[in-house]
Amino acid sequence: GAGVSQSPRYKVAKRGQDVALRCDPISGHVSLFWYQQALGQGPEFLTYFQNEAQLDKSGLPSDRFFAERPEGSVSTLKIQRTQQEDSAVYLCASSLSGRAIYEQFFGPGTRLTVL
Amino acid sequence: GQQLNQSPQSMFIQEGEDVSMNCTSSSIFNTWLWYKQDPGEGPVLLIALYKAGELTSNGRLTAQFGITRKDSFLNISASIPSDVGIYFCAGPSGSARQLTFGSGTQLTVLP
Repeated sequence: GAGVSQSPRYKVAKRGQDVALRCDPISGHVSLFWYQQALGQGPEFLTYFQNEAQLDKSGLPSDRFFAERPEGSVSTLKIQRTQQEDSAVYLCASSLSGRAIYEQFFGPGTRLTVL
Repeated sequence: GQQLNQSPQSMFIQEGEDVSMNCTSSSIFNTWLWYKQDPGEGPVLLIALYKAGELTSNGRLTAQFGITRKDSFLNISASIPSDVGIYFCAGPSGSARQLTFGSGTQLTVLP
């Protein structure tokens, strides 16, 4: 497809398990963002890549969160030793560069539930 | 951090009515964006604004970049059932590349 895709769409994890969330951005989009969205809230920034370089990870809530984009295309957000407070929708967005970096196209999200 | 305040939090309108919602900030934003999110989906970009005072339309949607750079408005004319959803304003804070989002306006269109 032409849009941003994410997998899995839903993930249920037991507390303490590790999870990996995948994002396939729009082809040609150099910028990739991860956001976390709690119920009833707007998305909140986690981390940003330009190509394969992670330029900003200031939004990652703890060192249990790790993101990578090794070839500048697909990205993976990994959460180690999941906690109940990690339950949220994780959104991936991609965009071009320059002024168009702000015109971010979002995927459908992965809904993570930690039991 | 930067906060964007959206109002109203929720709206119930009759099909065919016009809708107006706004977004304010205590700090200047140089870019404003409006997104719509349907249940179980990611936000979809509606309109991007780059210049103070700019008025931009996308079909029945019109958005304005406030002259003070601290607010933005979104209007929807002749609402239809598929307009139902949550509308978010967003913008980059300072020199950041990531977007700061408001808390959203939930729109319900009654038949």
